[in-house]
Amino acid sequence: DAKTTQPTSMDCAEGRAANLPCNHSTISGNEYVYWYRQIHSQGPQYIIHGLKNNETNEMASLIITEDRKSSTLILPHATLRDTAVYYCIVRSRMNSGYSTLTFGKGTMLLVSP
Amino acid sequence: GAVVSQHPSWVICKSGTSVKIECRSLDFQATTMFWYRQFPKQSLMLMATSNEGSKATYEQGVEKDKFLINHASLTLSTLTVTSAHPEDSSFYICSARVPAASQYFGPGTRLTVL
Repeated sequence: DAKTTQPTSMDCAEGRAANLPCNHSTISGNEYVYWYRQIHSQGPQYIIHGLKNNETNEMASLIITEDRKSSTLILPHATLRDTAVYYCIVRSRMNSGYSTLTFGKGTMLLVSP
Repeated sequence: GAVVSQHPSWVICKSGTSVKIECRSLDFQATTMFWYRQFPKQSLMLMATSNEGSKATYEQGVEKDKFLINHASLTLSTLTVTSAHPEDSSFYICSARVPAASQYFGPGTRLTVL
């Protein structure tokens, strides 16, 4: 699966939008972009995923560039409880299913009052 | 969303003893389960993948005789850390998946070996 690059850390003020970037310049056609987050001492939580179209759910929006080489996870109104490590993961889809999730170092998002 | 539970949530044991951690998918049947390990300030590292009724596939560097994995049913997988030592102290996280679907994670088990 393609490698991803994320900033080590980011800060965001409570109530503002948090925009977390991810580079995946070697992504191939059958690879999806997944986002998970991990709050301290908890298991990872699924946020959203996409292939090439922008996606939105109750938690966040995912914007994928037209060339698919980068994406941005948007938390529209960050709260203190959104403080976590956010992982951008590229995952391929095969006939037998999806490839295993492999975690990089992620981005530590700190939401401040 | 799908729920994965782990038990216990934390355990403290003496060096040389064995510890069993259970992972259950509560509202779905998981054909594949994964075990990850996370050391402080590090990312999750995949230890092994198990399919129901089959032997687990271990990642390079993970001792299969030390970390015994059993996936006897579609809703239960267990990880047994045998002859635990202080360096095995870590946060162990299981994950469950159904074909062509997302992977769901348990809350993790904090193991401390004295």
